Amino acid sequence: KQEVTQIPAALSVPEGENLVLNCSFTDSAIYNLQWFRQDPGKGLTSLLLIQSSQREQTSGRLNASLDKSSGRSTLYIAASQPGDSATYLCAVLSGNTPLVFGKGTRLSVIA
Amino acid sequence: DAGVIQSPRHEVTEMGQEVTLRCKPISGHNSLFWYRQTMMRGLELLIYFNNNVPIDDSGMPEDRFSAKMPNASFSTLKIQPSEPRDSAVYFCASSLRVSVAAHYSNQPQHFGDGTRLSIL
Repeated sequence: KQEVTQIPAALSVPEGENLVLNCSFTDSAIYNLQWFRQDPGKGLTSLLLIQSSQREQTSGRLNASLDKSSGRSTLYIAASQPGDSATYLCAVLSGNTPLVFGKGTRLSVIA
Repeated sequence: DAGVIQSPRHEVTEMGQEVTLRCKPISGHNSLFWYRQTMMRGLELLIYFNNNVPIDDSGMPEDRFSAKMPNASFSTLKIQPSEPRDSAVYFCASSLRVSVAAHYSNQPQHFGDGTRLSIL
């Protein structure tokens, strides 16, 4: 059974800092991995999707990497801003099972 | 483009009442998902439709829960009778399924803003 873990559960950083969020999964036979952002009282917004054949995806200040063999993904946020404050979730699609989500990392960027 | 639209945004009702949550997926999307989010359990998939047909309802917690998708632009999730432990945020998501190899859609899922349900 696929399990997804995100560490840390919460993170507070000063504005301008580069930061890394971690996601690990137990079954490396995945189709893709997706990073989402969730603002309070809102739904999830898809940030990046990495197919199993890819190593990384970039969008603006965000870069997500995937290492299937070690069961890990990282989301790198460059030059963090207060507007980046949100909960970030990763989710893994594998086999014939539903998308499995981590519990998320709650990020606070302090001005 | 309009995103996934859910209604109501908030629902407060008494135990035992019937609750109906509604979802309009993004036009052209052929996969629809209902999720439930709680602090304890995080996000859990309840049911998944492809081309209006329920594919996997193994996440539906009990017979009190039912979901329908009468057409490509509308879905409902019904709880009858409701119980306090059903209190959660319920999300609907849709995607475009282009992969035929995987059982599930291989494209990004787009979420609505959710329905915050409180059962007293």
